Amino acid sequence: ELKVEQNPLFLSMQEGKNYTIYCNYSTTSDRLYWYRQDPGKSLESLFVLLSNGAVKQEGRLMASLDTKARLSTLHITAAVHDLSATYFCAALTQGGSEKLVFGKGTKLTVNP
Amino acid sequence: NAGVTQTPKFQVLKTGQSMTLQCAQDMNHNSMYWYRQDPGMGLRLIYYSASEGTTDKGEVPNGYNVSRLNKREFSLRLESAAPSQTSVYFCASDGGVLSYEQYFGPGTRLTVT
Repeated sequence: ELKVEQNPLFLSMQEGKNYTIYCNYSTTSDRLYWYRQDPGKSLESLFVLLSNGAVKQEGRLMASLDTKARLSTLHITAAVHDLSATYFCAALTQGGSEKLVFGKGTKLTVNP
Repeated sequence: NAGVTQTPKFQVLKTGQSMTLQCAQDMNHNSMYWYRQDPGMGLRLIYYSASEGTTDKGEVPNGYNVSRLNKREFSLRLESAAPSQTSVYFCASDGGVLSYEQYFGPGTRLTVT
């Protein structure tokens, strides 16, 4: 059974600093997603990672995938207040009907 | 192109009442999903439908039923609401090999008193 674990669950950081959120998953998966959620809002897709070694970047966020280690990371560079949100990773199950399994989310607060 | 739409946005029910949450997508996707989100729990899959006419249980199906009415619509029914079903419900559809994206609706905030 696929399980997804994120850490940390809470992250408070200062503007201008760098940090990494980790997402471990327990069994083989072909697809890894990162989402952002603002309070009271729906999920916004950030990245879809499809293969080992995949790296995607958008602004101050960069996501990578290591399928051998079953690990994805979301790296934040020079954080700004607007990045404050909850970030979720999710992995796709394999075999039979495909479905996403989500981590519990990382609540990021960027302080001035 | 509205993407994934959900109705209602908010609902308050008394224990034992029933209701149906509606979801529709206009992207011609085969797969659709219902999730619930509770504080500190992430999103948990309730039911999903890989194609029109098929539905399967997810992680937390008890107390819910679903109908895949056609390719566009996937509804979630609470037959006898309980306070434990107070949650935010999200519907999603999956673009499959065309886009590898899963698109989420705006959510329904349900309170059961």
